[in-house]
Amino acid sequence: DAKTTQPPSMDCAEGRAANLPCNHSTISGNEYVYWYRQIHSQGPQYIIHGLKNNETNEMASLIITEDRKSSTLILPHATLRDTAVYYCIVRFTGTYKYIFGTGTRLKVLA
Amino acid sequence: DTGVSQDPRHKITKRGQNVTFRCDPISEHNRLYWYRQTLGQGPEFLTYFQNEAQLEKSRLLSDRFSAERPKGSFSTLEIQRTEQGDSAMYLCASSLVLAGGQEQYFGPGTRLTVT
Repeated sequence: DAKTTQPPSMDCAEGRAANLPCNHSTISGNEYVYWYRQIHSQGPQYIIHGLKNNETNEMASLIITEDRKSSTLILPHATLRDTAVYYCIVRFTGTYKYIFGTGTRLKVLA
Repeated sequence: DTGVSQDPRHKITKRGQNVTFRCDPISEHNRLYWYRQTLGQGPEFLTYFQNEAQLEKSRLLSDRFSAERPKGSFSTLEIQRTEQGDSAMYLCASSLVLAGGQEQYFGPGTRLTVT
């Protein structure tokens, strides 16, 4: 099963872009990369997902390297409400379950 | 609010008691998942259903745990003879199987405290 590696914590100034990296060097060809975030005491919230191409939605952008071994989640203009734990997940091959790591704790500073 | 609801939101029970949690997924979603999360860790997969069929169970799901989704709609997770190590947040998620990947929508969770 593919596993992900993320830095345990990051800080970002309010209004600046937050760039959260993720390594998934053992990813297989048909496995998607998902990003979720979890604000304290709430359930995880879906942000974005992708396979090979870069993706953008109203919340964030996802940049996946050409070899698919890493990706970056970009929050273009971070706000205090973006303070959360961000999880990068590669869906386990052959099933639909998620394998969560410990994520990156992002703190947005005023 | 994702549309996934869980009940109760908090449960305190004494060791050895049985507890049951309920999850109501988004109505058109055919897949339902249970996860467990302890402090400082990411959620851990427990089991999932497609409609009423339980398709996968984690080895974390000991004999004391059982999950059902009798009519392919809501689901229950029961823990028998609770232990202090069962204290955690129990999360439910649902999804709709589609080509091109699928996202899971999580409920707010049920926080279990075993005293």
